[in-house]
Amino acid sequence: QKEVEQNSGPLSVPEGAIASLNCTYSDRGSQSFFWYRQYSGKSPELIMFIYSNGDKEDGRFTAQLNKASQYVSLLIRDSQPSDSATYLCAVRGGGADGLTFGKGTHLIIQP
Amino acid sequence: GAVVSQHPSWVICKSGTSVKIECRSLDFQATTMFWYRQFPKQSLMLMATSNEGSKATYEQGVEKDKFLINHASLTLSTLTVTSAHPEDSSFYICSAYEETQYFGPGTRLLVL
Repeated sequence: QKEVEQNSGPLSVPEGAIASLNCTYSDRGSQSFFWYRQYSGKSPELIMFIYSNGDKEDGRFTAQLNKASQYVSLLIRDSQPSDSATYLCAVRGGGADGLTFGKGTHLIIQP
Repeated sequence: GAVVSQHPSWVICKSGTSVKIECRSLDFQATTMFWYRQFPKQSLMLMATSNEGSKATYEQGVEKDKFLINHASLTLSTLTVTSAHPEDSSFYICSAYEETQYFGPGTRLLVL
């Protein structure tokens, strides 16, 4: 059974610092990796996705993937109070498969 | 980005009644849609994959006779919770697939 593990937190980071969120997954056949942000009571919104080993940058966000270690991370630079939310890591086996989500990390950016 | 809508956004019903939730892709056609469920302080759990014109594929442990899924067109999938009970109270979220998954705003169901 596919599993995605995340530290539930809360992770507290000062405003302006770098927030580092981590995720491991069990299925070596996973091909696509996603980071979603979910505010309380709302549905998830896509931050970014990554398919290949290495880093992928999009604005203040950087996703890192290491398939050999089955590890994916998300870095948020210049953290803002509005970044406070639960961050969900999700993996997909391939094609139009459903996503397997981790339980999420609750991030708190302290002003 | 692709837009997915859900209706209703919340619903309260009595135990034993059926509830239908609609999921629409507004600006693209989606041959595949997904239904997830999220209990408080839990993550999203995939319930089923809905393919246009064919039967839905249910995840292990999800009762297909209780959660009826119909994907009659490329822009609409419906989830019907039949004979709802209080334990079915949850946040139901659909997504539509176009290169990646775009989520609807969710439907909060409360069964009394």
